[in-house]
Amino acid sequence: KQEVTQIPAALSVPEGENLVLNCSFTDSAIYNLQWFRQDPGKGLTSLLLIQSSQREQTSGRLNASLDKSSGRSTLYIAASQPGDSATYLCAVTLNFGNEKLTFGTGTRLTIIP
Amino acid sequence: NAGVTQTPKFRVLKTGQSMTLLCAQDMNHEYMYWYRQDPGMGLRLIHYSVGEGTTAKGEVPDGYNVSRLKKQNFLLGLESAAPSQTSVYFCASRVDGGPTEAFFGQGTRLTVV
Repeated sequence: KQEVTQIPAALSVPEGENLVLNCSFTDSAIYNLQWFRQDPGKGLTSLLLIQSSQREQTSGRLNASLDKSSGRSTLYIAASQPGDSATYLCAVTLNFGNEKLTFGTGTRLTIIP
Repeated sequence: NAGVTQTPKFRVLKTGQSMTLLCAQDMNHEYMYWYRQDPGMGLRLIHYSVGEGTTAKGEVPDGYNVSRLKKQNFLLGLESAAPSQTSVYFCASRVDGGPTEAFFGQGTRLTVV
C-alpha cells in the first residue's frame, strides 16, 4: 500500500525567506505527483503536477522536483509572502491503479510578516 | 467557469438520518472521486468512478453509497448517519487516469449529532 508522508506537519518562516516542503512516498512506481494548496475552510487548489518522466516543474515562485528512486518530492517556494500561508498537500498516483490519488497529511505553512 | 460544485456546503444531521451530497462538474471529466478529510488523517478516498454508470470502493467505503447516473454528476449517500461520519467531504474530478490534474470542489462540512 502506498504511503505518503509530509514532514514537518507545521512550519513557520519569516517573510522573504526561501523554503522547502517535503513529500516522501513508499512505492516508487508512481505515475505522477501533484502538489496542492488548501486555505482554511476551503477546497484544494492544484499548484503543480509532475509526470513520472519529469524531474521538475516550475510555476512562478514555485518549483517542484521529483526523485522517484528515492521516493521524494520537494516544493520550493522562493521569496515567501504572507499570502503563501496555507496547508500544502502532495498526492501521488501509481502506475497500477492510476485512477486513485493517495494524499499526504500536509504541511501547514505560516509566513510571518 | 464553475469547475467542480458541491451541494450543500454545510449540513447538520441527527444520528440515523439519511442524506445525499451532490457533486457536479462541467469539465466533461471521466473520473470523479469522493474524499473525506479529518484532522490528522489527511484525505481518504471513499468511493470513485471512472465513467458514467461505474463506481468503485476506495479506502473507507463503509456507511456510504454512490451513484454516477450522469457523467457530470457523482452522488454520495449516507443511509443512516453516524457521529463517526462527521467530517469535511470533498469531491474531485480528472480527465482520465493519465497524468492529468485533479480539480476539487469547495467541500461539504457535515456534522452528525
